[in-house]
Amino acid sequence: EAGVVQSPRYKIIEKKQPVAFWCNPISGHNTLYWYLQNLGQGPELLIRYENEEAVDDSQLPKDRFSAERLKGVDSTLKIQPAELGDSAVYLCASSLGVGPSYNEQFFGPGTRLTVL
Amino acid sequence: GQNIDQPTEMTATEGAIVQINCTYQTSGFNGLFWYQQHAGEAPTFLSYNVLDGLEEKGRFSSFLSRSKGYSYLLLKELQMKDSASYLCAVLIKAAGNKLTFGGGTRVLVKP
Repeated sequence: EAGVVQSPRYKIIEKKQPVAFWCNPISGHNTLYWYLQNLGQGPELLIRYENEEAVDDSQLPKDRFSAERLKGVDSTLKIQPAELGDSAVYLCASSLGVGPSYNEQFFGPGTRLTVL
Repeated sequence: GQNIDQPTEMTATEGAIVQINCTYQTSGFNGLFWYQQHAGEAPTFLSYNVLDGLEEKGRFSSFLSRSKGYSYLLLKELQMKDSASYLCAVLIKAAGNKLTFGGGTRVLVKP
């Protein structure tokens, strides 16, 4: 069974440029998460989707970040414009649901963003 | 707010045992996860504790005490491939079952 797929794996851009990351969750997983992970730190939740609905986006900096999951399957996270401080790994994860028994989250390999 | 603490780094010798502690102060606790993350790779699930006690899974064991807000991950018979970061994460029911991670503990296994 394929795991969570993310692309690209690496991205280098100049500040003020836009950037987009793509995620395809495990088939059948209704819940999709985007996390930001800074070097030497744990992942921090940016947004969580239940099917196509964003149910928790309280940590998403909405002035420059946006996300969508139009058909409730794959998702895109966008930053426009990027800032130097956005350099980090962006992880996507998916799970069957949100109850304790179904909350094991499976992570993708992440996209490492470097903003110059 | 939520507060999850774990040591930043630990070093141990191949074949030895290492215990990684995690303390948390949260409201609406609904379970605790441990994940392993090798450098440049995705976190992978190791264990889940929701009740007090010890859960053993091969060389890895995880313990939880809800009254003390404390968990540990025990790695036995350490192997070089166990060199990785270990992430403690708490499931917060009050936040819609949101998973909140600690900063991670980097374990270095030496020959």
